[in-house]
Amino acid sequence: SQTIHQWPATLVQPVGSPLSLECTVEGTSNPNLYWYRQAAGRGLQLLFYSVGIGQISSEVPQNLSASRPQDRQFILSSKKLLLSDSGFYLCAWSLYGVNTEAFFGQGTRLTVV
Amino acid sequence: RKEVEQDPGPFNVPEGATVAFNCTYSNSASQSFFWYRQDCRKEPKLLMSVYSSGNEDGRFTAQLNRASQYISLLIRDSKLSDSATYLCVVTGGFKTIFGAGTRLFVKA
Repeated sequence: SQTIHQWPATLVQPVGSPLSLECTVEGTSNPNLYWYRQAAGRGLQLLFYSVGIGQISSEVPQNLSASRPQDRQFILSSKKLLLSDSGFYLCAWSLYGVNTEAFFGQGTRLTVV
Repeated sequence: RKEVEQDPGPFNVPEGATVAFNCTYSNSASQSFFWYRQDCRKEPKLLMSVYSSGNEDGRFTAQLNRASQYISLLIRDSKLSDSATYLCVVTGGFKTIFGAGTRLFVKA
C-alpha cells in the first residue's frame, strides 16, 4: 500500500532563517507531488506541483521554492522566512489520470516568530 | 476568478438537518471531482468522488453539473460528528485544485 511521510510535524523558526520541509512517498512510482499551504482559518493554497524528477511548477510567486531530487521525494525550501510564511504546510501525492484522488501527509505546522 | 469557489460558511445546523454545499469551477476541461473533509488541525481526507451520474454514500449525495460547472454535496440527517470543513476538489491533467472549504457546525 502507498504511504506518504512528511516531517517535521511542527516547527518554530525565526524570521530570516532558512526552511527545509521534506516529503516522501512509498509504494508507488512516478506520482504527481504537491505542496499546499493553509493559513489559519483559510483554505488550501497550491504552492507547487511536480509531475516528475526535476520538474516543478510554481503556482504562487513568493520566497519559497521546491525541488524533486528523486522520484518520490519532494522538498519545500526557503532561504529567508517571513512572518507571512506561517501556516500549515501539506504535501500530497496523486497518480495522473481520471478520478485520481490526492493523498495527504499529516502536515507541518510552521510558526515564524 | 478563482479556479474553484465555495461558500465559506459557516453553516450552523441542528442535528438531523439536511444541508447542501455548492462549488463552482472555472476550467471546463476539468476531469475529476471530489469532496474532501478536513477536521480541525488535520490533513484533508477523501469523503467521496463525484461522478456525472451522481453518487450516494449513506447520508451523503454528490452531484456534478458539467454544463453549469458546479458540483454539490448533500448531507442528510446531520450528525454532530459531521462538523468539519468540506473541501471541493477539481483535477485536470497535472493539477489538483482545492476550494477554500465550507465550514459546517452541527449542534445538538
